[in-house]
Amino acid sequence: AQRVTQPEKLLSVFKGAPVELKCNYSYSGSPELFWYVQYSRQRLQLLLRHISRESIKGFTADLNKGETSFHLKKPFAQEEDSAMYYCALATGTASKLTFGTGTRLQVTL
Amino acid sequence: NAGVTQTPKFQVLKTGQSMTLQCAQDMNHEYMSWYRQDPGMGLRLIHYSVGAGITDQGEVPNGYNVSRSTTEDFPLRLLSAAPSQTSVYFCASSFGQGAWEQYFGPGTRLTVT
Repeated sequence: AQRVTQPEKLLSVFKGAPVELKCNYSYSGSPELFWYVQYSRQRLQLLLRHISRESIKGFTADLNKGETSFHLKKPFAQEEDSAMYYCALATGTASKLTFGTGTRLQVTL
Repeated sequence: NAGVTQTPKFQVLKTGQSMTLQCAQDMNHEYMSWYRQDPGMGLRLIHYSVGAGITDQGEVPNGYNVSRSTTEDFPLRLLSAAPSQTSVYFCASSFGQGAWEQYFGPGTRLTVT
């Protein structure tokens, strides 16, 4: 069965510092991986997906199949990045997502 | 375009009561899902539907029923509420399976006493 692990419940960084939110997965098939974000009092929304290889709001994530990881990175944290971040894995059928437990990013001045 | 809507926003139930959480989308999405969000556990899939008339169980289906009579609506029924069902419930929809973006509703916060 598929599994997504986000080892940090809370990550606190200073504004301007680099950010790395860790995500590891286990899945025997070809993974489809995503990062979803939930800002305070807003809906859960897609931040980025590995298949698009895009950078959104300065965030990037690279799929490393050897290490089964999909870590989310940003070189310089901003206050508006403070939110709950979820890594998610799609099995490729029926839009079923397996979510990690989430990491709360707190960016302080 | 309202996107995904959920009602009610908040609900308090007594143990044993039943209720239906409503979910609707106006994006003509085939795929709809229900998740529950609990502290320290992330989001877990309850039930999902790949189209009108077709539903299937997710990771935590016990105590919940769903039906999909139209493309737009995907209600979640709690048959006999239990304190363990206290949670925030999210409905989501997507255009296609797998790698398609899922659009989430605002959530329903349910407390069972």
